[in-house]
Amino acid sequence: KNEVEQSPQNLTAQEGEFITINCSYSVGISALHWLQQHPGGGIVSLFMLSSGKKKHGRLIATINIQEKHSSLHITASHPRDSAVYICAVSPTDKLIFGTGTRLQVFP
Amino acid sequence: GAGVSQTPSNKVTEKGKYVELRCDPISGHTALYWYRQSLGQGPEFLIYFQGTGAADDSGLPNDRFFAVRPEGSVSTLKIQRTERGDSAVYLCASSLLPSGATLESEQFFGPGTRLTVL
Repeated sequence: KNEVEQSPQNLTAQEGEFITINCSYSVGISALHWLQQHPGGGIVSLFMLSSGKKKHGRLIATINIQEKHSSLHITASHPRDSAVYICAVSPTDKLIFGTGTRLQVFP
Repeated sequence: GAGVSQTPSNKVTEKGKYVELRCDPISGHTALYWYRQSLGQGPEFLIYFQGTGAADDSGLPNDRFFAVRPEGSVSTLKIQRTERGDSAVYLCASSLLPSGATLESEQFFGPGTRLTVL
C-alpha cells in the first residue's frame, strides 16, 4: 500500500463546477504539500500546510492531522485549471508523493 | 529572481552510456533534492543535500547513480552504464531550509530533464 493515496485518479468537470481532490497518508508528517503539474511542464507548489485550512484565490486546502487526510478544493473551476494535482507529505527531509489526480475542465 | 534551472532539458542516450544532469538551485537555498518521475507516476525521491553533503541518499536505486554538490550550490546527478529503465524525467528542487512545516522549507522545482535511454 502506498504511503500517500489520492482520489480520484482522473477527474473531468464542466467549467464553473466545484472540485474536490482527496489525499490520505499513513505516515507521521511535519507538513503536507499540494502541487500542480501542467503537461510537459514543471511542478508548482500550491500549498504547504501542517494544520487547518489555507486559501489562495479559488483554491482551498484543508488538513485533518488526526485522520491523516487532506483535501484540495477548486471553486468556480476553469479550463486553465486542467493539470495534474499532486499531494506530497514530508515526514522528514524528503517528500513522498502521491500518484496525482489528472483534472480536465471543459468549457 | 531566477528559479531552479536544469540542463539539459532533454537528453537522449544509448544503453550503456554515461550521463550527467545538472541542477542550478535558487541562490541561497541550502537544501537541494533530486527526484525521478516515470510516465504516469508521481515523483520519487532520489537524494537530498544539505549544503555540500548528501544528508539522505536512500532513494538512489543502485550504485550506478551518484550525485555531487561540491560547493553547496550547483548539483550534478551522474548515471553510469545507463539502462532503458532509467528513462524518466529527473526533477530537481531546492528550499531555503530542509523540508518541514515552515514557509522557508517550501520546495521550488526545476523544469526537469527528460532522459531517454535507447
